[in-house]
Amino acid sequence: SQQGEEDPQALSIQEGENATMNCSYKTSINNLQWYRQNSGRGLVHLILIRSNEREKHSGRLRVTLDTSKKSSSLLITASRAADTASYFCATDGISEGAQKLVFGQGTRLTINP
Amino acid sequence: EPEVTQTPSHQVTQMGQEVILRCVPISNHLYFYWYRQILGQKVEFLVSFYNNEISEKSEIFDDQFSVERPDGSNFTLKIRSTKLEDSAMYFCASSEYSRAPYFGDGTRLSIL
Repeated sequence: SQQGEEDPQALSIQEGENATMNCSYKTSINNLQWYRQNSGRGLVHLILIRSNEREKHSGRLRVTLDTSKKSSSLLITASRAADTASYFCATDGISEGAQKLVFGQGTRLTINP
Repeated sequence: EPEVTQTPSHQVTQMGQEVILRCVPISNHLYFYWYRQILGQKVEFLVSFYNNEISEKSEIFDDQFSVERPDGSNFTLKIRSTKLEDSAMYFCASSEYSRAPYFGDGTRLSIL
C-alpha cells in the first residue's frame, strides 16, 4: 500500500531561515498534498500538487514532486514563528470521486525567534 | 471561507459506552470522511461515504463503528462499545468530486 513518509521527523531553525521537509511514498499517486497541524488542532490544507506537475508555489511555500523517485519536498521560505507546527504529506491513489488519503508521520517544525 | 465543523471538541466517555461524534460538512460537498489520529501517531483513514453509503473503509473500521447522514447537513460517527484504544482525535472531512478534502478541527475522544 502507498505510504507517505516525511523526513526529518523534527526540524528546528531560526526565524527568517528556510525550512525544507521531504516526503517519500511507495505507489502511484493521483495527487500529493501537504497539510499543517498546529498543536491540538485540525489539519489545514496547504497545497496540492498533481502527478503531472513538477513544482508549485503558493506564497512562501514551494512544493516539488518527483514521480520517478516517488518523493516530494515542501520548502517554506523566510520562516516565521507562526509557522511552528507539524507538517504532513498525504497521498491519494489513482481513483475518482472519494479521495482516501494516506498520511505520513509528519515533521515537527519549530521556528525559534 | 466555508468550513467543516465538528462537535463536541472534547468527549469523555466510560469504556463500554456508546459515543456519537458529529460533523457538519461543507454544504456543496458530496464526499464525506472520518479519520483518526492516536496521540503522537499518524492520521489514519477510517471511512469514506458517498450517496448515502460507505464507499471505502479501513481495517480499523470494524463492526463497532458506523456512520450515518441522518439529515441533509449532519454526518455522524458512532462507536458502539468504546474501548480504551479508541482514545484519539477524530477528524471529519468533506470534499467535492476528486478534490482535496477539507478537515474539521477534530473531536478529542478520551475513553476512561
